[in-house]
Amino acid sequence: DAGVIQSPRHEVTEMGQEVTLRCKPISGHNSLFWYRQTMMRGLELLIYFNNNVPIDDSGMPEDRFSAKMPNASFSTLKIQPSEPRDSAVYFCASSRTQPQHFGDGTRLSIL
Amino acid sequence: LAKTTQPISMDSYEGQEVNITCSHNNIATNDYITWYQQFPSQGPRFIIQGYKTKVTNEVASLFIPADRKSSTLSLPRVSLSDTAVYYCLVGQWGGADGLTFGKGTHLIIQP
Repeated sequence: DAGVIQSPRHEVTEMGQEVTLRCKPISGHNSLFWYRQTMMRGLELLIYFNNNVPIDDSGMPEDRFSAKMPNASFSTLKIQPSEPRDSAVYFCASSRTQPQHFGDGTRLSIL
Repeated sequence: LAKTTQPISMDSYEGQEVNITCSHNNIATNDYITWYQQFPSQGPRFIIQGYKTKVTNEVASLFIPADRKSSTLSLPRVSLSDTAVYYCLVGQWGGADGLTFGKGTHLIIQP
């Protein structure tokens, strides 16, 4: 039984580069969530989708961040241009109702 | 959203029962209490959820007093592998909203 799949698991890139994080939710789940985790701020909700439609993006830090969900089985979180302060672990989660099921995250380091 | 307060860290020994208490004084009538567990390099994982009194599953028990202003997660006979961060969350059951995580309780189990 496949869980939420995120790729890549790790990414190191230089500031100014475009970064794309990918998520495949659990089949049959109709809600998808992107979170960011840092030591300073803990786990923060960035954006979530319901039936592929963005519902609340108030947690997105700034215009450099964008998220899409073109279909029920795929979502991307893009950062362009990336900055060192974007370094964090980014989690994707999906659910039908509660509870949410999380992927193992993408550890992003911006140099 | 009801704010939760829990200890920053706790430690115990293998074989002991561990109780982690969470305060949620402003819990709403429709709110449920949910606990997640997070291991290093993994996403949070659902442990247990309850509304009132007591809930038990194969992993833990959740005790909720009548006023529901607090709850206690009980882990029976812990092992080293229970070392993790435990998060207490309050929100509506079945809601599709994103989760608001606090700082959690870092539980350390020693041999």
